Amino acid sequence: QSVLTQPPSVSGAPGQRVTISCTGSSSNIGAGYDVHWYQQLPGTAPKLLIYGNSNRPSGVPDRFSGSKSGTSASLAITGLQAEDEADYYCQSYDSSLSGPNWVFGGGTKLTVL
Amino acid sequence: QITLKESGPTLVKPTQTLTLTCTFSGFSLSTSGVGVGWIRQPPGKALEWLALIYWNDDKRYSPSLKSRLTITKDTSKNQVVLTMTNMDPVDTATYYCAHSGQLAAFDIWGQGTMVTVSS
Repeated sequence: QSVLTQPPSVSGAPGQRVTISCTGSSSNIGAGYDVHWYQQLPGTAPKLLIYGNSNRPSGVPDRFSGSKSGTSASLAITGLQAEDEADYYCQSYDSSLSGPNWVFGGGTKLTVL
Repeated sequence: QITLKESGPTLVKPTQTLTLTCTFSGFSLSTSGVGVGWIRQPPGKALEWLALIYWNDDKRYSPSLKSRLTITKDTSKNQVVLTMTNMDPVDTATYYCAHSGQLAAFDIWGQGTMVTVSS
């Protein structure tokens, strides 16, 4: 059971827009900690896609965007392409009583129809 | 260009101690704000953060695994070592090390190393 909740799967046709949600709580996203997003293509290591809620590292297409509000964050992908088919993970920091902790979501598998 | 590479055994027996080494280049772990973290991923499952060590030797551990983990650094060798005691089959996973710097995220990852725990 992940601290951050993501839908297990989303899908969309080429050219469409999809969003992936990441729901946390008052001890992580709601406490003001940044959310980062990672893309993991099949058989490869994760790659940083969005950092600091809405910033793209150099080389990441502007089709990818992130936002955060309250205890949740979202990743949006516009102009869906076949190469976007991958697993996506959100990540934040959690300051619960059990101790400070870097936490990941359970991951969302994006299927391009 | 920052690169990281994990190394260690591919197979360990239950109750044994796992030692993994992350060898990196392109940055120094003596630079303020820099850290190296370990994250693992069981087959077909989600990512799980394990530990993080900072340039100033500040160390952070996953609360659920803290009693079994030790992270150290050798700045002169550009290496970070993670040890995990009392290995169990549920610890079977791909183990990644990753750079954390100015972006405060895990911005560069190693290729990962698969570790199987079996007798």
